[in-house]
Parts: sequence; structure tokens; C-alpha cells
Amino acid sequence: EIVLTQSPDFQSVTPKEKVTITCRASQSIGSSLHWYQQKPDQSPKLLIKYASQSISGVPSRFSGSGSGTDFTLTINSLEAEDAATYYCHQSSSLRTFGQGTKVEIK
Amino acid sequence: EVQLVESGGGLVKPGGSLRLSCAASGFTFSGYSMNWVRQAPGKGLEWVSSISSSSSYIYYADSVKGRFTISRDNAKNSVYLQMNSLRAEDTAVFYCARGRGDYGEVDYWGRGTLVTVSS
Repeated sequence: EIVLTQSPDFQSVTPKEKVTITCRASQSIGSSLHWYQQKPDQSPKLLIKYASQSISGVPSRFSGSGSGTDFTLTINSLEAEDAATYYCHQSSSLRTFGQGTKVEIK
Repeated sequence: EVQLVESGGGLVKPGGSLRLSCAASGFTFSGYSMNWVRQAPGKGLEWVSSISSSSSYIYYADSVKGRFTISRDNAKNSVYLQMNSLRAEDTAVFYCARGRGDYGEVDYWGRGTLVTVSS
């Protein structure tokens, strides 16, 4: 099983600040890494697919990078509505999710 | 508009069974793989099972293998999850989610159905 480890587990940030969340895979997964946002009492929402490909309707402040085992989700100029838990997800070998990173607005 | 609506959740005793259903609309159901993902209360997302568009390929997480069975009916635009030998640790919201191919991203999710396993 491919294990995804996200860091940090929790981040408290002020509006307009830049947020960086990392996801490390236990073995190489190429670019088969996707990012999701989940707000309280809502279903997850796809933000980025295949490490860096944007999704229609998702604000441009969300971007992704990486390949192999190390990946990053960046939120430029955080807005209050971005308070949520963010998950990475690999689809290279079966499917697994990272443990999540909760982003709180100060 | 893509819609996925889960049903069948509820309270069941340990060792019991439950069958979840997911009704899909707004897209060509037979062209997509489908997945079940669960989330225990206050916890993260856990992939449970996937089924390819024609049911040729079926996969399970180790935690449910031998107890859960995924199936689909393309004529009814529906996917199912038969859950047997349920345990307290299976308590979770179960989401139905559409997959882009067998190895692609999960792009749409239902609102989920809550399964509670308790005596």
C-alpha cells in the first residue's frame, strides 16, 4: 500500500498569507497525485489533478507541483473561505489518501 | 449537472449487514469507474473500493476485503456496496464518487450516507 504523509497536520494563517502543504508518497507515483478541499459538513471538492493540472472553476490562487514522491499544494493570498481540510490522494496503485491538513484562519 | 445520491445507511449491530446504493445522473454512467470512500467521525478520508466502468476490474482496501462487495448496474445508473460482518470501526459517512478512468482522479462526490455500527 502506498502511504501518503502530509505536513503540517494543522496550520493557522492570516488572510492574504501564502500557504504551502506538502504530501510525500512512500514510493514513486509519477504525477498520479490529486488534491481535495473539504469544508465542515461538506463533501470533498477536487482542486488539482495530476499534481499540477488546474480544475475549471477552482480559483487560480490554488496551484500544485511535484512528481515522483514529493508534492506541494500552494494557496497564494489565502482568503477566509479557504478555511478547510486539504487532502492529497494517489491513484497510481489502488487508491490512498493523506491524513489531511487543517487550515484555520487567524 | 453531475449528481450522485447515496442511500441505505443507518444503524446496524456488530456482525450485521447493510447495502448502500448510489444513484447517478447527469453523465454517461457506463463510461466511468465508481468508488466508495468513507470518513469516520472526525477523521480523514479512507478509500474503500473501486469498480471499473464495465465491472471488469474491482478493487478493495485491505480493511474491508472479504467483507464488502461492490457492484454496479449500468442499466440503472447505480453502484452498490454490500457490507457484511460489520464492525464498530466501520462507522463512517460513506461517499460515492466518480472516477476518471481506472487510475484517474475522483472528480465528483455525493453527499454521503452515515453508517453506524453499534449494539
